[in-house]
Amino acid sequence: AQSVTQPDIHITVSEGASLELRCNYSYGATPYLFWYVQSPGQGLQLLLKYFSGDTLVQGIKGFEAEFKRSQSSFNLRKPSVHWSDAAEYFCAVGAPWMDSSYKLIFGSGTRLLVRP
Amino acid sequence: DADVTQTPRNRITKTGKRIMLECSQTKGHDRMYWYRQDPGLGLQLIYYSFDVKDINKGEISDGYSVSRQAQAKFSLSLESAIPNQTALYFCATSTPALGNEQFFGPGTRLTVL
Repeated sequence: AQSVTQPDIHITVSEGASLELRCNYSYGATPYLFWYVQSPGQGLQLLLKYFSGDTLVQGIKGFEAEFKRSQSSFNLRKPSVHWSDAAEYFCAVGAPWMDSSYKLIFGSGTRLLVRP
Repeated sequence: DADVTQTPRNRITKTGKRIMLECSQTKGHDRMYWYRQDPGLGLQLIYYSFDVKDINKGEISDGYSVSRQAQAKFSLSLESAIPNQTALYFCATSTPALGNEQFFGPGTRLTVL
C-alpha cells in the first residue's frame, strides 16, 4: 500500500539558516510527489511537484526538493529560512487513479518553527 | 481571484446534531473533494466528485454524506455528529486541464461536544 512518512513532527530553525524537511514514501512505481504548505488559518498551498524528468524540482517561495529513487525520498529544502516560512508542511504521493487523475496520499506533516 | 470558499469557518455543535459544511468555488473546476485533517494524521479523503452526477466514497466516508448541488457547490453532511468527528475539514477542487492539481479551501474547524 502507498504511504508517506514525515519523520519529524516539529523542526525549529533560526531565521536565515538552511532547512531540510524529510519525506519518505512507499510506492511500487515512480510516484507523483508533492509538497504543500499550510499557514495558520489557511488552506494548503502547493509548493512544488515532481512528475518526471529532472529530479531536482524548484518551487515557489525559494523552496526546492530532490527526488531520490534509491532512498524513496523527496526532501524539501530552502537555503535561507524567513520568519514567514513558519507553517506546517505536508508531503504527498499521487497514486494513479481513474483516467489521468491521481489520488493524494498525505504524510502526517512537519511543523516548522522559526527563531528570530 | 478565482477561489475556493468554505462555510462556516468554525462550528461547535453537540453530539447527535445534523451539521452541513459547504464548499463553493469560482475556479470553474469540475472535480471537488472533501478531506478531513486530524492532528498527526495528515489529510484523509472523505468523498470526491468528478462532476455533478458523479459522487464517490473516499477512505473514511462512514458517518458522512455529500451533495453536489451544482458544479460550483459541494456540501458535506454529518447526519448525527459524534465527538470523534471533531477535526479540520478541507474542500479542494481540480481540473484535468491543469494536471489535476488540487486547490484547497481555507478549512472548517468542527468541534463536536
